[in-house]
Amino acid sequence: GAVVSQHPSRVICKSGTSVKIECRSLDFQATTMFWYRQFPKQSLMLMATSNEGSKATYEQGVEKDKFLINHASLTLSTLTVTSAHPEDSSFYICSARRVEGSGSPLHFGNGTRLTVT
Amino acid sequence: KNQVEQSPQSLIILEGKNCTLQCNYTVSPFSNLRWYKQDTGRGPVSLTIMTFSENTKSNGRYTATLDADTKQSSLHITASQLSDSASYICVVSADSGGFKTIFGAGTRLFVKA
Repeated sequence: GAVVSQHPSRVICKSGTSVKIECRSLDFQATTMFWYRQFPKQSLMLMATSNEGSKATYEQGVEKDKFLINHASLTLSTLTVTSAHPEDSSFYICSARRVEGSGSPLHFGNGTRLTVT
Repeated sequence: KNQVEQSPQSLIILEGKNCTLQCNYTVSPFSNLRWYKQDTGRGPVSLTIMTFSENTKSNGRYTATLDADTKQSSLHITASQLSDSASYICVVSADSGGFKTIFGAGTRLFVKA
């Protein structure tokens, strides 16, 4: 069964509004979670690494003030797309590892389809 | 520069046929390589993991190979089923103090009846 839950699965919002996406690890604690964006027919692009109790680490070219990440607990990370615009429309996915380290697989949420009108 | 390249970009096969997907990487220092399957509109799911010393690993009808010398991996799917239609993503991890994960662009597989 799913070990990482993402909510909502789909969201449609108007340009200029903000949208919050939640990512939960269901039966394990995750000090680190990852947020990705995926455009149609393209692979996942890592946006940022969410660190519990500290600031997120953003990849080059990702605006931290645009994509706010909060990792308030060991089982929850949120991504808020602020002042969304149509070009922010994309598929957003989070992931986490049961055990820290590259030997443990990434468990992905089922993604959030964001459409900004 | 750490890169993962997959081929083909897309592939159409008939149900029941076999196929092989390729992954070439220039990631250093190499830690491991995973193949993930991503159904449309879903998150990826891990199929196999290969470490430096492993050459072949199977998971049901999926068989992954790794040649660490040439930095190539393949994913062979046997007796394809309609449910195999998905994107297959090769992901390589580098371990240089803090590890880094590099994603390939994926191969989109379409299995037709």
